Formats: sequence, C-alpha cells, structure tokens
Amino acid sequence: DGGITQSPKYLFRKEGQNVTLSCEQNLNHDAMYWYRQDPGQGLRLIYYSQIVNDFQKGDIAEGYSVSREKKESFPLTVTSAQKNPTAFYLCASSMEARRGNQPQHFGDGTRLSIL
Amino acid sequence: QQQVKQSPQSLIVQKGGISIINCAYENTAFDYFPWYQQFPGKGPALLIAIRPDVSEKKEGRFTISFNKSAKQFSLHIMDSQPGDSATYFCASRGSNYQLIWGAGTKLIIKP
Repeated sequence: DGGITQSPKYLFRKEGQNVTLSCEQNLNHDAMYWYRQDPGQGLRLIYYSQIVNDFQKGDIAEGYSVSREKKESFPLTVTSAQKNPTAFYLCASSMEARRGNQPQHFGDGTRLSIL
Repeated sequence: QQQVKQSPQSLIVQKGGISIINCAYENTAFDYFPWYQQFPGKGPALLIAIRPDVSEKKEGRFTISFNKSAKQFSLHIMDSQPGDSATYFCASRGSNYQLIWGAGTKLIIKP
C-alpha cells in the first residue's frame, strides 16, 4: 500500500539536543511538507519542498532544519535552538502543487516531548 | 498574516442530527477550499474540497456550502453518526500554493 511513514511515533528530547524525525513516502509525490500541530491550533507549516534538493521555509521555520536528498525522504531536524519543541509533528506529500488541486496526504505523526 | 477563522471550537450533536462547521477567509485570491478529518493519533485526511466557482458540493452525507461574496464556507454533515466524531479542519490555498489552516473543530456525536 502506498503511503507516508513517519518515525518514531514518540520521541523525547533532552536539553541542548538535536533530534531528527523521519518521513518517507512511496506515493511518487513531488512535494513534501512538515507541519507542527499544537492543541487548539491549526497546522502550521515549518518547511516544504517542491522538488529534490530544494526546500523553502514556512511560517515557523526557526529552530528547525530539513534536507531533501531523495524524492521519497524529507527528514526534519529539531535543533536545540527550538525552545518549545513539544508538539505533534505531521509530514505530508502531494503531487506538484502547481498541477491543480492536489490533496495533501499525511502520515500518522510524531509526538515530540522534552525530558 | 492571512488567516482562516474556524468556528465553533467544539461541537456536540445528537446521532442523526446535522453538524455544521463554519470558516471565514480573508483573501479573495484563495482558490481552493478543502476540509480535512482527523482522528486521535492520526494525520488528517482529505474529506471534501471545493473551488470558488461552485456554490455547493455534496459527497454522500458531507456537503460544502460556499459563499464567495461573504468569503465564508461551511461543512454540513447530515445524519451525523458516532463514527463522525473527530476533529475537522478547514483550509484555504493561497497564491503560493500553500494551505492556510483553520484552528479545528472537535466534533462529538452522542449516541
């Protein structure tokens, strides 16, 4: 079955530590996205990538970094500069955004907490 | 920053009733308006979507009503069932092709 796999499901970060969240898709989608979800708020875009080796900052990119070396993979690193990292992180993918109304398909998220 | 305002924040409906969730957007350039459904511990999934040249779209028990002049759109769930209990998000797509999301509505259907 095609889909998006996020791992791990739960992650704990110590002070001063960088952690990396994995996102893999086998939908052959061009575009991938990382969102942060906090209680009572909508999804906020962290980074997105329309094509391999290219990515753009979203609304809340500070304290995060990404890479897009392969079409299937879009890992997110939460750096020690992100002072409030506790949240539910969602990865999504879609066909190229400019090709009309392409729905975003989501993984089941990673819940990150501070130790 | 351009916003999408969603209401109510939470909603309780009796089984068999109609659930109505509303969203308002600011930018007339928005050109795509999806609704997503999210169950606890899962990612959102596309439920139904509409373009601004259509005033209504129906898929099964789910209907989007769109009012372009008022810059508002709403989701109606007819004959609401306990399995519809979830969090619902509206979104709008801006000129950079990225989605701007509402804050979500937690819907509970009472048996």
